[in-house]
Amino acid sequence: EPEVTQTPSHQVTQMGQEVILRCVPISNHLYFYWYRQILGQKVEFLVSFYNNEISEKSEIFDDQFSVERPDGSNFTLKIRSTKLEDSAMYFCASSRDRGNQPQHFGDGTRLSIL
Amino acid sequence: SQQGEEDPQALSIQEGENATMNCSYKTSINNLQWYRQNSGRGLVHLILIRSNEREKHSGRLRVTLDTSKKSSSLLITASRAADTASYFCATDVLEYGNKLVFGAGTILRVKS
Repeated sequence: EPEVTQTPSHQVTQMGQEVILRCVPISNHLYFYWYRQILGQKVEFLVSFYNNEISEKSEIFDDQFSVERPDGSNFTLKIRSTKLEDSAMYFCASSRDRGNQPQHFGDGTRLSIL
Repeated sequence: SQQGEEDPQALSIQEGENATMNCSYKTSINNLQWYRQNSGRGLVHLILIRSNEREKHSGRLRVTLDTSKKSSSLLITASRAADTASYFCATDVLEYGNKLVFGAGTILRVKS
């Protein structure tokens, strides 16, 4: 069964450094998402992306964050200048379409900011 | 409480028993989805129930939705040790389209 894949599984970065998290969504899906889960807290929506542009973003997704679909398969989340509070599990998801479609999640990237 | 609150927070049962988890939410929704998360892993989609549906089945899973009470339940029948995981409800909020709002989850432990 097709799945969403994320790399790396674990990323350790110094505070202030830039980090790029990578995702390969399911191939025939059109909508892409990033969520994060701080340890012990709820899964939180960050951003949704469709047709090469952001369709919605949360308050968390400030100017330090950006997303890109650099080619036909990858979907990336960049954090420009990481902070300690960015430490979390970051999940990529994709769905075939919007509206009453399940979102399929990857296994996540654990980001640790030192 | 916030959108998508599950109860109980934790549930421990014996293998073969049924497990019921509940979810409440506050706003109008397109649909409600249930996910499972094994420790340290990603979220696995279990079932989606639309706002105009009242009940849905998938294998040993049964989900109900009561939009008048803004609540849903997930029933796992004949539980197995492999069902041990965290279970989350997530609401696809009407005005936001595909943004999922997750609850805090129920930790289910099935003892063999």
